[in-house]
Amino acid sequence: DQQVKQNSPSLSVQEGRISILNCDYTNSMFDYFLWYKKYPAEGPTFLISISSIKDKNEDGRFTVFLNKSAKHLSLHIVPSQPGDSAVYFCAVEYGNKLVFGAGTILRVKS
Amino acid sequence: DVKVTQSSRYLVKRTGEKVFLECVQDMDHENMFWYRQDPGLGLRLIYFSYDVKMKEKGDIPEGYSVSREKKERFSLILESASTNQTSMYLCASSLYTSGGVDTQYFGPGTRLTVL
Repeated sequence: DQQVKQNSPSLSVQEGRISILNCDYTNSMFDYFLWYKKYPAEGPTFLISISSIKDKNEDGRFTVFLNKSAKHLSLHIVPSQPGDSAVYFCAVEYGNKLVFGAGTILRVKS
Repeated sequence: DVKVTQSSRYLVKRTGEKVFLECVQDMDHENMFWYRQDPGLGLRLIYFSYDVKMKEKGDIPEGYSVSREKKERFSLILESASTNQTSMYLCASSLYTSGGVDTQYFGPGTRLTVL
């Protein structure tokens, strides 16, 4: 029973354009939503988070949007850069644990 | 900067062997976690620990055990390795925060192959 779903296994975007990564969740009781980025042969690194009481959080080129009625989370990267090419995982905080989605591979073409 | 280190980057073991994966963090974090990452499945939690000598099962604990004798060290043990335990193993730690987001910091991972 997947609580967090990332339905797009991969996404390809041209450098300078917007990248939009999507995530759906099932439980409306989650408190925090997070995005992690993972390069090959490295561990995931924290990127950005949002509290369930907000609908938007911005950090430089990265913005996370939360639509609680649709139980939907998205990460926008503007402008996309080749160094953004990585696997992006969304995660929800459940108690003191994180539950991760399957990940989306982002490729930014130069 | 938080540093989480894992004892091996790559490991090859035989079916039935006992395997130890070690993880050390240097930021005095209370919480430590072990995950495995498989294609199409994301990161799945195996075990976690909130304190020394304390452990709790995650979502997929079968075939694994853990040990936390010191605050900075969290070990994952495969009692009798099987081929379906071939995977990337990731350790993470976090500082307990009441009422705030619990950001986890990950080690580089250990790619385990069981033959």
